[in-house]
Amino acid sequence: GAGVSQSPSNKVTEKGKDVELRCDPISGHTALYWYRQSLGQGLEFLIYFQGNSAPDKSGLPSDRFSAERTGGSVSTLTIQRTQQEDSAVYLCASSLGQGQGMINTEAFFGQGTRLTVV
Amino acid sequence: AQSVTQLDSHVSVSEGTPVLLRCNYSSSYSPSLFWYVQHPNKGLQLLLKYTSAATLVKGINGFEAEFKKSETSFHLTKPSAHMSDAAEYFCVVSPGPFGNEKLTFGTGTRLTIIP
Repeated sequence: GAGVSQSPSNKVTEKGKDVELRCDPISGHTALYWYRQSLGQGLEFLIYFQGNSAPDKSGLPSDRFSAERTGGSVSTLTIQRTQQEDSAVYLCASSLGQGQGMINTEAFFGQGTRLTVV
Repeated sequence: AQSVTQLDSHVSVSEGTPVLLRCNYSSSYSPSLFWYVQHPNKGLQLLLKYTSAATLVKGINGFEAEFKKSETSFHLTKPSAHMSDAAEYFCVVSPGPFGNEKLTFGTGTRLTIIP
């Protein structure tokens, strides 16, 4: 597609349930990022993929959070046993990539998934 | 390692007056630098970017920023604020081409425009 696509756009789940958030990056973009933004707050880094590998997953808040990326394209962020503090907008971004002599370009953001845990 | 510091969490200016949002960075490589804007309940939009070409970068909506290596700064300016400029602004640093580090976001500056 033309831009970064995230689904679902909104998700309401009960505390304790698992959720999966999906990100379709721009075709050809090798770098993919997940961020979290709580109400009125800045961006909290979660994880970064370069291709299918994650050089930096230092931002994942707990072992309930995991992410994978397959085929160097689609990524899924999974939150197990959701808690109310997980409620936030989860943003995905992609860029052409880093390393191997590539000039870094800007990241393009999806519209986010608004997660509400009740 | 790299970092970015936005020196003001909140800036208020009157409509028609200049805007200055300050950003300092630290990077082991020659960085790329970006400013993003987020309007209320909207996604993040790129305002402008610096990638080692001209040090004065012009962006959308009349904004510009100047890369100053000696001061490790990349401040965002606009000569005359408009009500529609009210938003959250993020300064972002990206490493040079041989790095393998993530984009690093500042904590954001909320710009309020006073009528």
